[in-house]
Amino acid sequence: QVQLQESGPGLVKPSGTLSLTCTVSGGSISSNNWWSWVRQAPGKGLEWIGEIFHSGDINYNPSLKSRVTMSLDKSKNHYSLKLSSVTAADTAIYYCATYYESSGYRFDYWGQGTLVTVSS
Amino acid sequence: QSALTQPASVSGSPGQSITISCSGSSSDVGAFNYVSWYQQHPGKAPKLIIYDVSNRPSGVSNRFSASKSANTASLSISGLQAEDEADYYCSSYTTSRVWLFGGGTKLTVL
Repeated sequence: QVQLQESGPGLVKPSGTLSLTCTVSGGSISSNNWWSWVRQAPGKGLEWIGEIFHSGDINYNPSLKSRVTMSLDKSKNHYSLKLSSVTAADTAIYYCATYYESSGYRFDYWGQGTLVTVSS
Repeated sequence: QSALTQPASVSGSPGQSITISCSGSSSDVGAFNYVSWYQQHPGKAPKLIIYDVSNRPSGVSNRFSASKSANTASLSISGLQAEDEADYYCSSYTTSRVWLFGGGTKLTVL
């Protein structure tokens, strides 16, 4: 079964760029999965950030679209998130999550999450 | 697009049943049968407990059930147990090819 592991800096300065990677194990990033990022601010609910398919198709949350870039690296079997011009409001636990489109639209697998704090 | 609407909190005693609602629109909950529910315990990642409106993944207790009517979905938990105390989130795929989550409902088992 697919396992996801987030990695990246836990502290980012305001106005900087948040960069995270999600490493996929137990499956191929070239499979028919949509690879997503979801975040959760402290004490708040879940917020979908975006998703990417191995073909390069991408969908972003309209509220974050101007600051988000997602990409994937087939050779490393991982995908990445970049969020620019961050503020304290971007402090959150960032999760990677995935679903197999042919099986239906739901997030079957989640990473454990990684806390990113935006602070000087 | 706005988040789906859930009650902030619900509570029940052990053995009782509770229902959590999730209100959306004709562009999300009402558009497809792609409503899912997630359980999240403190400090843990969300866990899928219901998909495609009313289906349970393997290993999820049959005390969890769900349904949908028009633009509102509902999650029910019967025979409440202490371990059910958690946050619950609904989610829906939308006609705009984006995902929405509900604001979350904190379930307290009294």
